[in-house]
Amino acid sequence: DAKTTQPPSMDCAEGRAANLPCNHSTISGNEYVYWYRQIHSQGPQYIIHGLKNNETNEMASLIITEDRKSSTLILPHATLRDTAVYYCIVRVSNTGNQFYFGTGTSLTVIP
Amino acid sequence: DAGVTQSPTHLIKTRGQQVTLRCSPKSGHDTVSWYQQALGQGPQFIFQYYEEEERQRGNFPDRFSGHQFPNYSSELNVNALLLGDSALYLCASSPGQGGRETQYFGPGTRLLVL
Repeated sequence: DAKTTQPPSMDCAEGRAANLPCNHSTISGNEYVYWYRQIHSQGPQYIIHGLKNNETNEMASLIITEDRKSSTLILPHATLRDTAVYYCIVRVSNTGNQFYFGTGTSLTVIP
Repeated sequence: DAGVTQSPTHLIKTRGQQVTLRCSPKSGHDTVSWYQQALGQGPQFIFQYYEEEERQRGNFPDRFSGHQFPNYSSELNVNALLLGDSALYLCASSPGQGGRETQYFGPGTRLLVL
């Protein structure tokens, strides 16, 4: 299964953009990159996903490099409520719909 | 539109006992997956149910079993509880089995085994 590497923790000032990196160098051509976040023992919350092109929704933007070996989740204007653990996941297409979570990045938004 | 719901929210059991956790999927979803999340770790896939059958399974022993009902709701059963089974148990639902659809998670059930 494709694995992801994320920094264990990051800080971001409130109101600034939070840029969360993820490396997935073994990703296959038909595997999607998903981002979820988890706020203190709640269920993971879906943020965004993409295959090749950059994606944007009301929560965030996802930038995927051309070689697809890494991606960056961007929260454009971080608020205190964005403090959470962020998981970058590559879904293994040949094993169906399950997700393999790593340990994620703990983002702290500082006032 | 209700999201994924799980019950109970918290549960305390003793070693050797059995436990049943319940999950109702998001409206319009027919596939349910279960995950175990130990403290400080990311969720680990247990198994997935679709059309009332277990379709995929992660690296969990046979003590972990499940069921899906005709209304797509699901149960997770754990027998002969061990201290190491203490964790947050998450249910996720999605539309379509084996597809490429996004999973939506419930709030989880916190199980403590003493």
